[in-house]
Amino acid sequence: NAGVTQTPKFQVLKTGQSMTLQCAQDMNHNSMYWYRQDPGMGLRLIYYSASEGTTDKGEVPNGYNVSRLNKREFSLRLESAAPSQTSVYFCASTLNEQFFGPGTRLTVL
Amino acid sequence: RKEVEQDPGPFNVPEGATVAFNCTYSNSASQSFFWYRQDCRKEPKLLMSVYSSGNEDGRFTAQLNRASQYISLLIRDSKLSDSATYLCVVNTGTASKLTFGTGTRLQVTL
Repeated sequence: NAGVTQTPKFQVLKTGQSMTLQCAQDMNHNSMYWYRQDPGMGLRLIYYSASEGTTDKGEVPNGYNVSRLNKREFSLRLESAAPSQTSVYFCASTLNEQFFGPGTRLTVL
Repeated sequence: RKEVEQDPGPFNVPEGATVAFNCTYSNSASQSFFWYRQDCRKEPKLLMSVYSSGNEDGRFTAQLNRASQYISLLIRDSKLSDSATYLCVVNTGTASKLTFGTGTRLQVTL
């Protein structure tokens, strides 16, 4: 099992560009999550999906959209990137324990 | 007040020392509690769940005090490899949404 995979690992964007962060899990988990982690702020929930076909806002959803494409995949889209979105993004899935992907380091110039 | 509060440290301890971290949470309805470990530039990984009765896993002991709304993690006989950031995590019960503390950094030295 690969667990939770994320692509890309690194990305540099210019302000206003768009991109989609991809996440997939092969553990047959119902719930999936997107977090961002910034120095001194800890992990903050952006969006989550309790089951296939449902998505809900977390603590910091502004500037992001998500798609739960199927049970395996949960993508995060930045429509118009801003420097404030420079962060490390983690995807996670859960049955009881949350398993995290390796993260995407995003820099917005 | 933050939902989950931790001392950011760093805690610098020599190998073999015992070190303890505390964490407080604000939501009395919180259902479950965890300690995660995060190495530099890596993803968080579950270290242990925290049960009301307290639980132990080798050199690690976790305790929960619901009345005072705090969680503790005790590490005995610290190893160099224990150097990491320890995240206190609380589940408030909706859709397995977890709230993370900002982490306590531990540095174990020779």
